[in-house]
Amino acid sequence: DAGVIQSPRHEVTEMGQEVTLRCKPISGHNSLFWYRQTMMRGLELLIYFNNNVPIDDSGMPEDRFSAKMPNASFSTLKIQPSEPRDSAVYFCASSLGGGQGVYEQYFGPGTRLTVT
Amino acid sequence: SQQGEEDPQALSIQEGENATMNCSYKTSINNLQWYRQNSGRGLVHLILIRSNEREKHSGRLRVTLDTSKKSSSLLITASRAADTASYFCATVPLSGGYNKLIFGAGTRLAVHP
Repeated sequence: DAGVIQSPRHEVTEMGQEVTLRCKPISGHNSLFWYRQTMMRGLELLIYFNNNVPIDDSGMPEDRFSAKMPNASFSTLKIQPSEPRDSAVYFCASSLGGGQGVYEQYFGPGTRLTVT
Repeated sequence: SQQGEEDPQALSIQEGENATMNCSYKTSINNLQWYRQNSGRGLVHLILIRSNEREKHSGRLRVTLDTSKKSSSLLITASRAADTASYFCATVPLSGGYNKLIFGAGTRLAVHP
């Protein structure tokens, strides 16, 4: 398996523009997670899905952020409009299971977003 | 918000020495996991310890868990330069479910040849 695939790997955009980050989880995994990593705040869980359904989006910073998972093999994280403080590395991760399962997560390589 | 706090924030050792990193957390957990992150890369799972386990080994890694103190430690024995990375503990809270991981701030380990 190729692992979790994220695109693009790097994104540079101007403030106010729309940004869409993409993720393909490992085949057969039914949980998907979006994280953001910054020096100041560390790794933050933004949202996670189980069986394509958003379970907890309490980590999404504000209404400018939205995430979708239209099917088991694809998810997007959208920022509209983007702001300089959104600059970070965004990771997607997937895992088996749900409920009170005990599973490890597999991370993608991340998308480094720079908003100027 | 972060659940786990790693200690120390940074650690510098020589090859062959042992490295010990500690993690403390606040709420009851289902399990605790350790991950490694090489510079510019994604996180890689190292080891998982369940709340009813006290110690676990995997190769040169040894993890302990003390639920009464809400703390865990990761020991890397006979370190190598390739072990240079950031190490994160992550907890799965007992409530909330769905394998939600809450990460600590991480320990930056530098192993010098």
